[in-house]
Amino acid sequence: AAGVIQSPRHLIKEKRETATLKCYPIPRHDTVYWYQQGPGQDPQFLISFYEKMQSDKGSIPDRFSAQQFSDYHSELNMSSLELGDSALYFCASSVTGGSQETQYFGPGTRLLVL
Amino acid sequence: GQQLNQSPQSMFIQEGEDVSMNCTSSSIFNTWLWYKQEPGEGPVLLIALYKAGELTSNGRLTAQFGITRKDSFLNISASIPSDVGIYFCAGQLGWGAQKLVFGQGTRLTINP
Repeated sequence: AAGVIQSPRHLIKEKRETATLKCYPIPRHDTVYWYQQGPGQDPQFLISFYEKMQSDKGSIPDRFSAQQFSDYHSELNMSSLELGDSALYFCASSVTGGSQETQYFGPGTRLLVL
Repeated sequence: GQQLNQSPQSMFIQEGEDVSMNCTSSSIFNTWLWYKQEPGEGPVLLIALYKAGELTSNGRLTAQFGITRKDSFLNISASIPSDVGIYFCAGQLGWGAQKLVFGQGTRLTINP
């Protein structure tokens, strides 16, 4: 079965540079979520989109922005990168509506800021 | 904010032993999920629970959604080496594309 696709899988950036992470949800899924996971930590919610509209927002820095496109893929844009932004970034997708909204995670993008 | 307390934080067991871990919260959740994560990879869904009191199995894994909707447990029977990893519980407060709140994780190590 098709899964969530994320690209790139690994990314190395310098401080103050920008980065763009991409997420392609499972086919027919209409909702995407972004999570950040630091070393030894649990995933922390950043932001989510349903039908191209922002639906929920967590502790996402103002330097980060995201959007969902008409084909339901999403991009997380990160500017003025800081050393502390080094982490695993996961995208998850689901179908919204009904009583069972299960989030399926992608393999993640490992971002290293030097 | 909402917090999930997951225990134990780590487990060291012998192959073939049974494993039990649980999550509790002061908040009521409408969905409980259990994921397994291996190093550098994304969380993989093991079991999803949608109703209070629900007991669901997936092979050697069994999980339950607590009656109060504030807790859940995961049991693994007859552990094998490939069960090694970090297990996370996650709760969703409501419907409509809402975030997951994760527990701190249980790191499972198995001695052959």
